[in-house]
Amino acid sequence: EADIYQTPRYLVIGTGKKITLECSQTMGHDKMYWYQQDPGMELHLIHYSYGVNSTEKGDLSSESTVSRIRTEHFPLTLESARPSHTSQYLCASSDPRGTRGETQYFGPGTRLLVL
Amino acid sequence: GNSVTQMEGPVTLSEEAFLTINCTYTATGYPSLFWYVQYPGEGLQLLLKATKADDKGSNKGFEATYRKETTSFHLEKGSVQVSDSAVYFCALTPGDSNYQLIWGAGTKLIIKP
Repeated sequence: EADIYQTPRYLVIGTGKKITLECSQTMGHDKMYWYQQDPGMELHLIHYSYGVNSTEKGDLSSESTVSRIRTEHFPLTLESARPSHTSQYLCASSDPRGTRGETQYFGPGTRLLVL
Repeated sequence: GNSVTQMEGPVTLSEEAFLTINCTYTATGYPSLFWYVQYPGEGLQLLLKATKADDKGSNKGFEATYRKETTSFHLEKGSVQVSDSAVYFCALTPGDSNYQLIWGAGTKLIIKP
């Protein structure tokens, strides 16, 4: 069973606030990802990391930033939340030492509502 | 480019019916193919995968065969249960890189008792 955690699970916040979504994994995976998903809809990659001190932007333009100071921790920050940021945010990790077709393991998600 | 197309939902079936969810893809290299499932209120999880042509992935009674000639990876199950109600995502990793999953739009499956 995958051990990847996200907090908070639900967040309601006002416009202009700074927020940080937490993601941690205990599997020692080098690769980590953030996706944005409207519930039950297509996933959009917004950030990924190959390892400590590595971060890249994904396909979907996002006003968020990420950091990777420790292998197990990959937080996502929104400096100034807006209603357009309302969505579900999914964190995932994978092990590049795996065989071809590595599996991504997902956390339970954070549902964000910006008023 | 790389893309995944899967049948639109929702798909509504009665319990014990046969299920097919179609998935076709385009890829620049030799991709690996996946089906992920998202149960209500739960995180995404891998259902099955196949990494080369003619491979069959299987799990929990679901199967999908990697068909290179038709660029397809259709998901099937012989007899569905109410507990199979979920959103199913077809995805691929391109053959030229292994970091990025390319996702289909998802198909919502509703099974009625």
